[in-house]
Amino acid sequence: EPEVTQTPSHQVTQMGQEVILRCVPISNHLYFYWYRQILGQKVEFLVSFYNNEISEKSEIFDDQFSVERPDGSNFTLKIRSTKLEDSAMYFCASTRSGVQNEKLFFGSGTQLSVL
Amino acid sequence: AQSVTQLGSHVSVSEGALVLLRCNYSSSVPPYLFWYVQYPNQGLQLLLKYTSAATLVKGINGFEAEFKKSETSFHLTKPSAHMSDAAEYFCAVSNFGNEKLTFGTGTRLTIIP
Repeated sequence: EPEVTQTPSHQVTQMGQEVILRCVPISNHLYFYWYRQILGQKVEFLVSFYNNEISEKSEIFDDQFSVERPDGSNFTLKIRSTKLEDSAMYFCASTRSGVQNEKLFFGSGTQLSVL
Repeated sequence: AQSVTQLGSHVSVSEGALVLLRCNYSSSVPPYLFWYVQYPNQGLQLLLKYTSAATLVKGINGFEAEFKKSETSFHLTKPSAHMSDAAEYFCAVSNFGNEKLTFGTGTRLTIIP
């Protein structure tokens, strides 16, 4: 089965530093998402992205966050100035179309630790 | 607003016994409901999805879930647990198909040999 690939699997950074989390969605997919899971808490929606634009974002996704599809294959999540509370597992997901029966594929996640 | 409640953060069953993982939802419109499984060091994998067709939904690995509107429930079951079923299970709800899923806190399933 095709896979969504996320790199790195673990990232450690200092508070205030910028981080970029990388995702390679499945090649013919057009809709992209980021979710995060703080340890012991729910998986939370961050943002959805289609046609090089953000289509929806949650209240968590403030000005410190941005997403980009820089080269047609990668899909990145940037956190400009990390805070301790940004420590979480970040999941990328993709799907081929917006049709309801399409399957959403998740990556294995990047564990971000902010010190 | 939509939300999901998963009763029981940890469930243990014996190998061969019935698996029942509970999920109740809240949604202001007819929902899309999902069960995902997460094995250690892996991503979330879709087990099954309810999209307003049949109320009994069959998924992968022998799992199924029944949508009960009157109880606002979408419990996950499997008749006979296997050791390989040990994982974390997440229920999720959406009002927009695959858009903006709201997840529950997850249930860790342990299988006792």
